[in-house]
Order: sequence, then structure tokens, then C-alpha cells
Amino acid sequence: GEDVEQSLFLSVREGDSSVINCTYTDSSSTYLYWYKQEPGAGLQLLTYIFSNMDMKQDQRLTVLLNKKDKHLSLRIADTQTGDSAIYFCAEFVSGGYNKLIFGAGTRLAVHP
Amino acid sequence: GAGVSQTPSNKVTEKGKYVELRCDPISGHTALYWYRQSLGQGPEFLIYFQGTGAADDSGLPNDRFFAVRPEGSVSTLKIQRTERGDSAVYLCASSKTGSQANVLTFGAGSRLTVL
Repeated sequence: GEDVEQSLFLSVREGDSSVINCTYTDSSSTYLYWYKQEPGAGLQLLTYIFSNMDMKQDQRLTVLLNKKDKHLSLRIADTQTGDSAIYFCAEFVSGGYNKLIFGAGTRLAVHP
Repeated sequence: GAGVSQTPSNKVTEKGKYVELRCDPISGHTALYWYRQSLGQGPEFLIYFQGTGAADDSGLPNDRFFAVRPEGSVSTLKIQRTERGDSAVYLCASSKTGSQANVLTFGAGSRLTVL
């Protein structure tokens, strides 16, 4: 079946790196995503990675994918207070139908 | 339009009433999705349209929920005999097909509160 698991909470000091982890179960996932959701706001796509890649870097964001272990991580360098939000990991399942399966989200709190 | 537009942004209704939520996707996007996000949870898939037809409605929780997309653009999610457990934010997303089918753009959502 399809399932995405994330730890629920992460607290970091401003300026430090944050690492948010995710595991998924569907080996047929073609893409994996990180979305950001600020309070009262919609989902913002941060980045995504194709399943045949193992790393993608985009400015302060680094995504690592271990396909063998079905493990995805998001590293935010030099974390700022504006990064405080809920981060959702998601997998894209295709093959006759398309859908994104989301985890429950990791709340990132950045403190001075 | 420039983004995915959802109306109303907030809806408060009483238990047992009928509710319609509207989604206007990005122009030219043939795929449209509905998700439901309960408090403290991740978005949960409800239904996926490719054009006018529902390609996958496996996420609809029961027969009180129904969605249509008659002209392949605007979609309406309909909830009959609402229950307090239906309270959530209902999110709509759209995407192109082909090589960009995996990039979903989400609307801001419609927050439904059932009293």
C-alpha cells in the first residue's frame, strides 16, 4: 500500500541546519516532493526529485533520496525564522492513475 | 487564471445541510484533484479528474461526497447531509498532462466548519 511517515516536530536554532526526514512505502513512486505550509496558508511546492536521482540542491535546500531504504530527507541550510512552518513529504504514484500521497507533516520551529 | 482559485474560502454550515465547494483550475490544466486536510493532518486524496471524467474517486469517504467537472475546467465538490466530522480544509490542485503531470499547483483551500 501507499504510506508516508514523518516525524512530527523539529526545533532548531536560527542559523543552524535543519534536516527533516521521511520514509515511504510505494516502490513505484516516480517523484518525491517537499511542500511547505505556513499557518492559514496553502501548500507551497518547495522542490521535488525524480526517483532515479539521489540528490538535488536548490539554493539553501538539499534533498537526499535513498531509494533502497525508501528514505527522503530535506536539509535547510542557515535556517531562518521565516522557515518556521509545516513541511510535508509526498510521493507521486502513477500508472493508470495519478495522485500525491502526503505524510502528516513535520512542524519546524526556529528559535533565536 | 494565474493560480488555482477556490470558493468560498470559508463556509460554516449546520449538521445535515448540503454544501458545494468550487474550484477553478489554472487555465489549460487538464488534471484536477480534490484533497481534504483535517486539523493536524496531511492532505488526504479524495478524487482525480482527467478532463471531464473522474479517473480515480477511490478517496471519496462515502456516498455523501460527490464531485463533478462537466466542461473539463471548473469543478464542484458536493457534500450531502454534512456531519461534524466533515469539518476540514478542502484543497483543490491542478496540473498539466505529459511531462508536467507531476507538478500540482494547489489552491488556498475552502475551510468547512460543520456545527
